[in-house]
Amino acid sequence: GAGVSQSPRYKVAKRGQDVALRCDPISGHVSLFWYQQALGQGPEFLTYFQNEAQLDKSGLPSDRFFAERPEGSVSTLKIQRTQQEDSAVYLCASSPWDSVSGNTIYFGEGSWLTVV
Amino acid sequence: QKEVEQDPGPLSVPEGAIVSLNCTYSNSAFQYFMWYRQYSRKGPELLMYTYSSGNKEDGRFTAQVDKSSKYISLFIRDSQPSDSATYLCAMSLNYGGATNKLIFGTGTLLAVQP
Repeated sequence: GAGVSQSPRYKVAKRGQDVALRCDPISGHVSLFWYQQALGQGPEFLTYFQNEAQLDKSGLPSDRFFAERPEGSVSTLKIQRTQQEDSAVYLCASSPWDSVSGNTIYFGEGSWLTVV
Repeated sequence: QKEVEQDPGPLSVPEGAIVSLNCTYSNSAFQYFMWYRQYSRKGPELLMYTYSSGNKEDGRFTAQVDKSSKYISLFIRDSQPSDSATYLCAMSLNYGGATNKLIFGTGTLLAVQP
């Protein structure tokens, strides 16, 4: 399909392991967001890209979290030295616009991370 | 205190019932108000979008925003079993070009019983 694609869909990591989560946004979309959704909670903002520029990373919980979008399309969220509290669904969203008001944001199905 | 408060439920209703879902918020600068539906193990999908105060209707769904009370609602008429999902309210500011990140409520789990 032409939606936002995320991989892997499910990942089990041992505590201390590094993980990388990939997002393929809708082709041509300028804006890309990462959100973290803990069980029973709403999504929480992590970071925002406009093309290849990371304009807002205020939601990244620690310096173990790192995101990149080097060519302005595919993005990777990397978590180093995973801890149990990192267990969550990581949602990627994209939008065709650079000024995003909320009605044009499309979410992927998420990457489910479990840290054991 | 969270910026956006939402009763997590769960809420169970019989088929055909009218469902009322609500959120309150504390930041008076929010201008865009959304309702998302999230099925189990799926990403959120936009259901309703409202700018500033007022009502918006789309089929069986009506969204209401009362900025003076900092309160938003979603009404579902003639509820169907296929409406069973988690409903998330979300809000954003208007910075005109800066990040308009969405601030979500915790979500309300709705079950419509056939």
